[in-house]
Amino acid sequence: DAMVIQNPRYQVTQFGKPVTLSCSQTLNHNVMYWYQQKSSQAPKLLFHYYDKDFNNEADTPDNFQSRRPNTSFCFLDIRSPGLGDAAMYLCATSRDRTGSYEQYFGPGTRLTVT
Amino acid sequence: GQNIDQPTEMTATEGAIVQINCTYQTSGFNGLFWYQQHAGEAPTFLSYNVLDGLEEKGRFSSFLSRSKGYSYLLLKELQMKDSASYLCAVIDSNYQLIWGAGTKLIIKP
Repeated sequence: DAMVIQNPRYQVTQFGKPVTLSCSQTLNHNVMYWYQQKSSQAPKLLFHYYDKDFNNEADTPDNFQSRRPNTSFCFLDIRSPGLGDAAMYLCATSRDRTGSYEQYFGPGTRLTVT
Repeated sequence: GQNIDQPTEMTATEGAIVQINCTYQTSGFNGLFWYQQHAGEAPTFLSYNVLDGLEEKGRFSSFLSRSKGYSYLLLKELQMKDSASYLCAVIDSNYQLIWGAGTKLIIKP
């Protein structure tokens, strides 16, 4: 089945220790998104790629970086995690970024910062 | 600013019908999505509305009124597995997806 895969599902890191979350997709979608979601809150878009074109949200902290080495893979790097970065990180894809194309989500990575 | 309002929490009884409302104020409108999110899991797509009216899909229906900036999700014949959060999201004029915080639906036997 075509899908969005995230690894790991649970990640524990220490305060200030860099961490990388990964996402892969077999849907061959052009757009990949990274969201941060805290409990009972809306998903917050961090960035998205339209093909190789990187789009950073204005309020995404510099501490967060992303890479998309090819169509299938996308990585989220948190350079120096703080306690406030503990959250669920969701990767999503869509065929295009306009109109009626729904986003398909991976299962998420729950990040704990100790 | 852009804003999406949904009730924080609703409770309903198994077998009953529930309507979850969503009102939005966004810069432009290019469609509205409803997603279901079970606790600790990722959102899954339920419906998409871009024209006024009702879209029916099995036990779930979604309604849109663009002039009123209003949508609702109607769930019929509620089952325990419908206990989840329901998120409303609007595509604005820049094709950005603006998310609501979600409505937590609790189903009681």
